Amino acid sequence: EAGVVQSPRYKIIEKKQPVAFWCNPISGHNTLYWYRQNLGQGPELLIRYENEEAVDDSQLPKDRFSAERLKGVDSTLKIQPAELGDSAVYLCASSASGLAADEQFFGPGTRLTVL
Amino acid sequence: RKEVEQDPGPFNVPEGATVAFNCTYSNSASQSFFWYRQDCRKEPKLLMSVYSSGNEDGRFTAQLNRASQYISLLIRDSKLSDSATYLCAVVYGNNRKLIWGLGTSLAVNP
Repeated sequence: EAGVVQSPRYKIIEKKQPVAFWCNPISGHNTLYWYRQNLGQGPELLIRYENEEAVDDSQLPKDRFSAERLKGVDSTLKIQPAELGDSAVYLCASSASGLAADEQFFGPGTRLTVL
Repeated sequence: RKEVEQDPGPFNVPEGATVAFNCTYSNSASQSFFWYRQDCRKEPKLLMSVYSSGNEDGRFTAQLNRASQYISLLIRDSKLSDSATYLCAVVYGNNRKLIWGLGTSLAVNP
């Protein structure tokens, strides 16, 4: 079974430029999460989707971050414009419904460097 | 007080040693508990879900102590390949948000 797929794996941009990350969750997983992780920290939730609905975006900096999951499968996270402090690893995770709903499986992440 | 706390370590142990980590959580209504393993520059990978009765998977044993609000992870017969950061995560609330600790770093030495 294929895991969570993310692209690109690495991205280097200059500040004020836009950037987008893509995620395809595990097949059949209805819930999709975007996290940001800084070195030495745990993952920080940015947004959570149940199918195509964003059910928790309270931690998403909405002035510059946006996300979509139009068909309830793959998702895109965008930053525009990027700032130096946005340098981090952006992780996508997915989980199934039912009893295992809380078990999250992560993609390899996109390592963003803003110069 | 942080919602989920872990000793960051590092824990340096020789091969073959037994090592244990604890993770405390502040919300008594917490519902689900997990241990994840994260290797350097890699994503977190689910190691174990922690059940009320405790659970064991080979050399790894996880326990839940609701009265004292902590979970533990015991690793027996440590291998070099066990070197990693071990993150605990706790779920609570109607929105079932996963709250993460900062991780405990383990280095198993030859």
